[in-house]
Amino acid sequence: ETGVTQSPTHLIKTRGQQVTLRCSSQSGHNTVSWYQQALGQGPQFIFQYYREEENGRGNFPPRFSGLQFPNYSSELNVNALELDDSALYLCASSLMGGGGTEAFFGQGTRLTVV
Amino acid sequence: TQLLEQSPQFLSIQEGENLTVYCNSSSVFSSLQWYRQEPGEGPVLLVTVVTGGEVKKLKRLTFQFGDARKDSSLHITAAQPGDTGLYLCAGGPGAGSYQLTFGKGTKLSVIP
Repeated sequence: ETGVTQSPTHLIKTRGQQVTLRCSSQSGHNTVSWYQQALGQGPQFIFQYYREEENGRGNFPPRFSGLQFPNYSSELNVNALELDDSALYLCASSLMGGGGTEAFFGQGTRLTVV
Repeated sequence: TQLLEQSPQFLSIQEGENLTVYCNSSSVFSSLQWYRQEPGEGPVLLVTVVTGGEVKKLKRLTFQFGDARKDSSLHITAAQPGDTGLYLCAGGPGAGSYQLTFGKGTKLSVIP
């Protein structure tokens, strides 16, 4: 059983640029959630995808968008990057309808905006 | 907005000591999860508690969910240097969502 994998592990971008982060969910899972973790803070929920549709969103602006593919992998896109977007971005996969409540996280992508 | 407050924020103890970390909220959660996170890594799930008053043990770690499902505690017995890390509690959502509400975490350092 493969775990959640994210790519890239580290990324440096310039303010105003766009970035795409990728996540492969754990085998058998159908739901992907994305979180932003600023330094010294707990993760904050960005949004969740189930059956290729967004079905929950936290307090993040529209320049944060995502996709989920038929194989349940996912992308997080951030446009017009700002310095405050520098953070660890975490992807979590879960099995909706499986009766469980757990989310399993990848190792994260460290994004630095300069 | 549901908020989870963790205390203490930082904890530095000697190897062999016991400690308790608290997670409190004014909101009711359907479940509560505890994670441990190493620097630069994703959180690793330790336990999920679902029933009010539930107690779960994982070797030297004891987790308790409050009767009203608004608070939880993590007790570590005879702490070891390998327990060092950031401990995060996260409140679980209702059916149909895996949106977790995280606390800011407790950074634990166990000194040999």
